[in-house]
Amino acid sequence: AQSVTQPDIHITVSEGASLELRCNYSYGATPYLFWYVQSPGQGLQLLLKYFSGDTLVQGIKGFEAEFKRSQSSFNLRKPSVHWSDAAEYFCAVGVDRGSTLGRLYFGRGTQLTVWP
Amino acid sequence: ETGVTQTPRHLVMGMTNKKSLKCEQHLGHNAMYWYKQSAKKPLELMFVYNFKEQTENNSVPSRFSPECPNSSHLFLHLHTLQPEDSALYLCASSQVGGFSSYEQYFGPGTRLTVT
Repeated sequence: AQSVTQPDIHITVSEGASLELRCNYSYGATPYLFWYVQSPGQGLQLLLKYFSGDTLVQGIKGFEAEFKRSQSSFNLRKPSVHWSDAAEYFCAVGVDRGSTLGRLYFGRGTQLTVWP
Repeated sequence: ETGVTQTPRHLVMGMTNKKSLKCEQHLGHNAMYWYKQSAKKPLELMFVYNFKEQTENNSVPSRFSPECPNSSHLFLHLHTLQPEDSALYLCASSQVGGFSSYEQYFGPGTRLTVT
């Protein structure tokens, strides 16, 4: 069965520091991978996505993620965190259901706190 | 309006009330979704509509009744809810077919409190 694991429930970093949020997945086929961000009281905003090709993908707000098939990982990174990046981050795996609609499976999320 | 909108943003209801949540997408998509987000739990997919037809119901209790009159509008009718139904209810939409069907765009959610 497919699953998504975000090992870190809560991460705290100082503003200007680098960030890496971890995501591991379990899925038998080639995955489609996503990172979403959720600010307090808001819905989920798509940060970036991976379908195929270059394993390093760039997203919005200066985020990037790298797909590592050998490690079943899709970690999210940012070189320098801003206070406005404080939010909850969700990794998701897209599963082919053999129909016209895929299915997303989400991790439990990582809460990011940014110290000034 | 742009993107996916949801109304109301906050709702408090008693267990005997009947209320409805509304979602509207302005993205030209043909698939719409209802998710439930509870504290400390992964997002739970509730219902999926593909060109107005319900294609997925993930064992959701009958006190939740979805309605999709067209590809742009989605409703969730609520009646005789339980306190454990208190959560953030998120609506999403996507294209149909191909990679785009995996890119879901979310609304801001309705925070529901059942008293």
